[in-house]
Amino acid sequence: GQNIDQPTEMTATEGAIVQINCTYQTSGFNGLFWYQQHAGEAPTFLSYNVLDGLEEKGRFSSFLSRSKGYSYLLLKELQMKDSASYLCAVRGDNYGQNFVFGPGTRLSVLP
Amino acid sequence: ETGVTQSPTHLIKTRGQQVTLRCSSQSGHNTVSWYQQALGQGPQFIFQYYREEENGRGNFPPRFSGLQFPNYSSELNVNALELDDSALYLCASSPETVSAGYTFGSGTRLTVV
Repeated sequence: GQNIDQPTEMTATEGAIVQINCTYQTSGFNGLFWYQQHAGEAPTFLSYNVLDGLEEKGRFSSFLSRSKGYSYLLLKELQMKDSASYLCAVRGDNYGQNFVFGPGTRLSVLP
Repeated sequence: ETGVTQSPTHLIKTRGQQVTLRCSSQSGHNTVSWYQQALGQGPQFIFQYYREEENGRGNFPPRFSGLQFPNYSSELNVNALELDDSALYLCASSPETVSAGYTFGSGTRLTVV
């Protein structure tokens, strides 16, 4: 089966750094994706990891450890506009089965 | 390049009715997937179409069906609507490249009363 866990909610202060964790158990692995979703809007693609290690993209970085079934999304220099839900998604061993999404982490950035 | 567009944006239906939701995929994308997202939850995979054939399905009953057309646009049909079908329905398209993230449409908010 497929199972993805994320914290439900997190709060951080503007200008700070926050790390959102994701653990997964899937029958196969062909990549882990992070998406950002503002309330009432479509998810937007943030990052993709398929090999172990850190991928950096401006203020956002994503880390993957395949042996531990673990990833995190790191957001630096938080801005108010970063308040959103962050979705972790795993593509399993069957491309036809598409992504399995986690429940999402709702991040609130406070002034 | 245009993104993924979905129609309608909002819809209210009565229990037992049928609904058709539409999606135009991003130019150059031949794969379309549909997701159901309940309030406060992550998207749940319904099914995926690749070159007009269904090539993957999530844990949804047969009254959820779909089509993909030669221009790669797609439809999601839901028969015998139930109250629990009230959700945001998202369409996502992608090219064949595995590393490409999916591009999502803004969704159709379906309310079943």
